[in-house]
Amino acid sequence: TQLLEQSPQFLSIQEGENLTVYCNSSSVFSSLQWYRQEPGEGPVLLVTVVTGGEVKKLKRLTFQFGDARKDSSLHITAAQPGDTGLYLCYNSGGSNYKLTFGKGTLLTVNP
Amino acid sequence: GAGVSQSPSNKVTEKGKDVELRCDPISGHTALYWYRQSLGQGLEFLIYFQGNSAPDKSGLPSDRFSAERTGGSVSTLTIQRTQQEDSAVYLCASSLVGRGAPYEQYFGPGTRLTVT
Repeated sequence: TQLLEQSPQFLSIQEGENLTVYCNSSSVFSSLQWYRQEPGEGPVLLVTVVTGGEVKKLKRLTFQFGDARKDSSLHITAAQPGDTGLYLCYNSGGSNYKLTFGKGTLLTVNP
Repeated sequence: GAGVSQSPSNKVTEKGKDVELRCDPISGHTALYWYRQSLGQGLEFLIYFQGNSAPDKSGLPSDRFSAERTGGSVSTLTIQRTQQEDSAVYLCASSLVGRGAPYEQYFGPGTRLTVT
């Protein structure tokens, strides 16, 4: 049974700070996606990672897929209030839909 | 083009009543998902439709919950005899294909259900 664990569960920081959130699994991911959900809206895809060790950048966001493909991290540089939201990792290669989304990291960036 | 739409956006109902929530997926998307999200929490998978295959109902929390997808397009999630613990945001998503492929899920804005 592959469970996705995200940490931290909550994070509140000041504008301009850097942060990293994590997604870990007991099993190997064939692929993993990160979504961001802003208040009152549905989640939106940020990135898909497939290859172990892969690093993808999206402006101030850097996504890394672990070499063993069992973990991933999202690093935000110089966070802005617009980064506020729930960050969810998703096992996009999974076949058990009950276990595919992590519980998320709720990020608040204060101006 | 049009995204995923859901209706109603808000629904307040009395305990014991039945409710129907509607999802219009993106045209041409064969996969459709329903999720439930309690306040500040992650997504709880409810049900998955893929083309003409039998739906994956493994996430439905009780037999009061059911869903159908007509003509491979519009989907309706029905909750019978609603309970206060059913209060949540119900999200629908669609994608080009589902199981095992890293395709993007496109989410609707959700229906906020409040059971009084």
